[in-house]
Amino acid sequence: IVLTQSPVALSLSPGERATLSCRASQSVGTYLAWYQQKRGQAPSLLIYDASNRATGIPPRFSGSGSETDFTLTISSLEPEDFAVYYCQQRANWPLTFGPGTKVDIK
Amino acid sequence: EVQLLESGGGLVQPGGSLRLSCAASGFTFSNYAMTWVRQAPGKGLEWVSLLGGAGGATYYADSVKGRFTVSRDNSKNTLYLQMNSLRDDDTAAYYCAKALMTDSVRAFDHWGRGTLVTVSS
Repeated sequence: IVLTQSPVALSLSPGERATLSCRASQSVGTYLAWYQQKRGQAPSLLIYDASNRATGIPPRFSGSGSETDFTLTISSLEPEDFAVYYCQQRANWPLTFGPGTKVDIK
Repeated sequence: EVQLLESGGGLVQPGGSLRLSCAASGFTFSNYAMTWVRQAPGKGLEWVSLLGGAGGATYYADSVKGRFTVSRDNSKNTLYLQMNSLRDDDTAAYYCAKALMTDSVRAFDHWGRGTLVTVSS
């Protein structure tokens, strides 16, 4: 399953809303996760099963969608949210990641 | 506190072999599936392999199938990745990560810091 993320990059200011998209080449149900990766760090889990926040993730992060279309929304960007975001499906083997969306400071 | 610490990376010539280790602590290691994910310099994440908690089912990306072997020693709380016939495009940081839940591979909630593998002559 191929995951496509859009946009490739997003330039926003702190306090603005970020909307990131992940599209699957075939249905993955709700078997989709979102990860954040800051420069020089390992990825960290944000959302699993399309809409469940992982432990310790603040409510400004939310996930939605099913089948082939998914969205990660950051309601009001904090300075620490500028990073690269990846989606990942676990519906079929092999597991796959999307190419990522970079959110940087405008 | 869950901790994952990868080791074993380094410089290896094309065609060579390397074994990565991932030492786990802070959770019941044998109960969780574990995975390897890699990231080439400046690139995105690529899933490599996964091994079930009981050491049963194994899964591989097509790009490494037949060359890499994942294994675990639950008595040592350690995950391994044996990498043979290494190629230039295997150059990457290799991360190990823990499955979120014991009963299924929903996502990966804890990651190590990674170990760098460089394949070059």
